Amino acid sequence: AQKITQTQPGMFVQEKEAVTLDCTYDTSDQSYGLFWYKQPSSGEMIFLIYQGSYDEQNATEGRYSLNFQKARKSANLVISASQLGDSAMYFCAMSVASGGGADGLTFGKGTHLIIQP
Amino acid sequence: EPEVTQTPSHQVTQMGQEVILRCVPISNHLYFYWYRQILGQKVEFLVSFYNNEISEKSEIFDDQFSVERPDGSNFTLKIRSTKLEDSAMYFCASREGWGGSSYEQYFGPGTRLTVT
Repeated sequence: AQKITQTQPGMFVQEKEAVTLDCTYDTSDQSYGLFWYKQPSSGEMIFLIYQGSYDEQNATEGRYSLNFQKARKSANLVISASQLGDSAMYFCAMSVASGGGADGLTFGKGTHLIIQP
Repeated sequence: EPEVTQTPSHQVTQMGQEVILRCVPISNHLYFYWYRQILGQKVEFLVSFYNNEISEKSEIFDDQFSVERPDGSNFTLKIRSTKLEDSAMYFCASREGWGGSSYEQYFGPGTRLTVT
């Protein structure tokens, strides 16, 4: 079974600062994917970034980057130059390949990020 | 941009009643999922569906739940004899296929189910 741990229940950050949201994972599968989703107060789930276990480069999407350290089983999300609109819940999640492609995502408990002006 | 849609946005039902939550996945996607999120908690996987059958289901997805793809566009979650603890936001998601960026699961806006 897979497990995702997010140890920061809440974070306060000043606008324009960089933010690192921690995520560690546990799986015995060799092939897996790691995801970050943003959930604003309106409730929808917004995909941010994906990292495959065999990807050698850290994933980047605009202001988002994923700091993937495979040996440490960590997949931290880095948000550069934070904005007020970044205030939301952030969930780390993973899926594994052993299910033939249809595996559901296992989510962490989330980090509530608040950006202060 | 294509998106996953869900209806209704909010459903209120009495304990013991049956509810059907509806989803229209993105049209060329092959994998479909249901998740739930109890208020203030993490998102939990319920079931995945591929090639007109259940691929994987979690411990939560017991005999009370069923899924169906009645036609080429809709994907439904049925909850028989609802309980108070079924109150949650239910998300539908779909994924295009296998490999590369097609790993991304696109989530719908959710249906908030309230059981009274």
